[in-house]
Amino acid sequence: DIQMTQSPSSLSASVGDRVTITCRASQSINTYLNWYQQKPGKAPQLLIYGASSLQSGVPSRFSGSGSGTDFTLTISSLQPEDFATYYCQQSNNNPYTFGQGTKLEIK
Amino acid sequence: EVQLVESGGGLVQPGGSLRLSCSASGFTFRGYWIHWVRQGPGKGLVWVARIDGDGSTTHYADSVKGRFTISRDNAKNTVYLQMNSVRVDDTALYYCARQMGIFNGGLDYWGQGTLVTVSS
Repeated sequence: DIQMTQSPSSLSASVGDRVTITCRASQSINTYLNWYQQKPGKAPQLLIYGASSLQSGVPSRFSGSGSGTDFTLTISSLQPEDFATYYCQQSNNNPYTFGQGTKLEIK
Repeated sequence: EVQLVESGGGLVQPGGSLRLSCSASGFTFRGYWIHWVRQGPGKGLVWVARIDGDGSTTHYADSVKGRFTISRDNAKNTVYLQMNSVRVDDTALYYCARQMGIFNGGLDYWGQGTLVTVSS
């Protein structure tokens, strides 16, 4: 199975900050990498698919990049509603494994 | 409007069985892979299983292989997760989710989840 490792596991930041979360795959997954946001008590929401494609309705301050084994999710200017937990997931091979999550908290 | 609604969760004893359902509406159901993803209390997301549009292809996480079975009834727009020989560590909120209609795409719509508690 492909292991997905996110860093950091938690992050404190302020409104307006630029934030980057990284995700590393244990083997190449091409660009089959997805990012999700989850708020407490809610289902996850797809933000980015195919490593860099913005899902419909997602604000443009979210962006993704990378290929192969190393990927990043960037939030260009944090808004209050962005404080949540973020997960990466690979969809290159079965099983479709998730990273362990990155909790983004208010500083 | 795309909707996925899970049901069937509850309290079950270790070694017992439970069948979860995921009822879909608002899209051409047979055209999409459907996944189950679970989340233990205070834990991260764990992928469980998926099934293709006509039900002929399924995949499972190693942790549930041989115990869980995913299936679908396209006439009822419903996907099922039959859970047998459940263990305490199967306790989780179980979500169903639709895989977007592109090759190896992400999960673009999710249900609200159904809670499974395995305890004696």
